[in-house]
Amino acid sequence: GAVVSQHPSWVICKSGTSVKIECRSLDFQATTMFWYRQFPKQSLMLMATSNEGSKATYEQGVEKDKFLINHASLTLSTLTVTSAHPEDSSFYICSASSGGGGVKTGELFFGEGSRLTVL
Amino acid sequence: QKEVEQDPGPLSVPEGAIVSLNCTYSNSAFQYFMWYRQYSRKGPELLMYTYSSGNKEDGRFTAQVDKSSKYISLFIRDSQPSDSATYLCAMSKSGNQFYFGTGTSLTVIP
Repeated sequence: GAVVSQHPSWVICKSGTSVKIECRSLDFQATTMFWYRQFPKQSLMLMATSNEGSKATYEQGVEKDKFLINHASLTLSTLTVTSAHPEDSSFYICSASSGGGGVKTGELFFGEGSRLTVL
Repeated sequence: QKEVEQDPGPLSVPEGAIVSLNCTYSNSAFQYFMWYRQYSRKGPELLMYTYSSGNKEDGRFTAQVDKSSKYISLFIRDSQPSDSATYLCAMSKSGNQFYFGTGTSLTVIP
């Protein structure tokens, strides 16, 4: 299947600093990318949807100034957690979908996830 | 009512058993259906993708979609301890918005 790479897989930072997480589709062009947050033993919580070249659409309750999402190209989306605090510690996962390039419409592929720990 | 309902389990079976995982949904417009396997602290891995109704088989895995009943299933034959994970169902109307079940936790006991 198609590959979505997410980096870094694990990051520890000090409170007040910003952290950037990258999500790349390696073998297809991702017209839409999604960012999720997942707490232990809980399901995925959609944070935002981003389409290449346009502003991300955030879910209700997600602070767009806190979680900056950029989808600058068809293969790269970034999530920046600004002024991180310990309550932002979580597992962040991206996913990507496309309607072409060998990826079927409706197929959704996930990155490996990034574990953020804010001290 | 949630768009997608999935029994969270946990489900525990002996090695070699046949596992049946299910999801129901309310929106008849869904036409893309997927099953994912997620190991602890990893991103979900796409196991099965089905468009519209019918069955699909891949090795020990079989996915079934019954649109008339709004019900999808994933069967795992000859289950192995390595199958122990959380299984998520997902579906979409047009491929640009996805709805997920809460996940079923499966443990296969050697």
